Amino acid sequence: DQQVKQNSPSLSVQEGRISILNCDYTNSMFDYFLWYKKYPAEGPTFLISISSIKDKNEDGRFTVFLNKSAKHLSLHIVPSQPGDSAVYFCAASAGRGSTLGRLYFGRGTQLTVWP
Amino acid sequence: DVKVTQSSRYLVKRTGEKVFLECVQDMDHENMFWYRQDPGLGLRLIYFSYDVKMKEKGDIPEGYSVSREKKERFSLILESASTNQTSMYLCASRPYYQPQHFGDGTRLSIL
Repeated sequence: DQQVKQNSPSLSVQEGRISILNCDYTNSMFDYFLWYKKYPAEGPTFLISISSIKDKNEDGRFTVFLNKSAKHLSLHIVPSQPGDSAVYFCAASAGRGSTLGRLYFGRGTQLTVWP
Repeated sequence: DVKVTQSSRYLVKRTGEKVFLECVQDMDHENMFWYRQDPGLGLRLIYFSYDVKMKEKGDIPEGYSVSREKKERFSLILESASTNQTSMYLCASRPYYQPQHFGDGTRLSIL
């Protein structure tokens, strides 16, 4: 059973607008959340993360919001650029300090930013 | 900068063959992982290792095995390749308290 869910397989946004990618999780033990971006024929690259002790983390155009009570997080990209077109994966782990470091991934959302 | 290197970008093998996928990282990371990525299914964990000679099953270990004889190298083995193992295979490594770093993947086709 999937513990991390990305219910929108695709999202299309005009350049300059905001992109909002959503992610839900079921395991209340998750305490660290990450977003990865993946271009075709490349490996995923780490984008931004958030610990469960925070509800927001910002890095340039990228902001991640965490709502623990709803078990929901979202990635906001403002303003969106054509180079942001990629598959975005949400991931979660239980125990950031764990030596195992196992991540649970969602199925991904294909973001397309058009001019 | 972290470098995770997968030995082949593209590989074509035949059913029944024993297939080896190699992954090397140059940052002395303890943890290493093997995933496969399939359309609509995201990244699924096959096996991971938290130290030399240690291994743990992920979510889909059937038909695969792994080897970690040296800290920098983590090998994925398809014991007898089948067509349903055609996929993109991704290796990752991570040090403690840091996100995983991925290689560029191996596109494996089993004919």
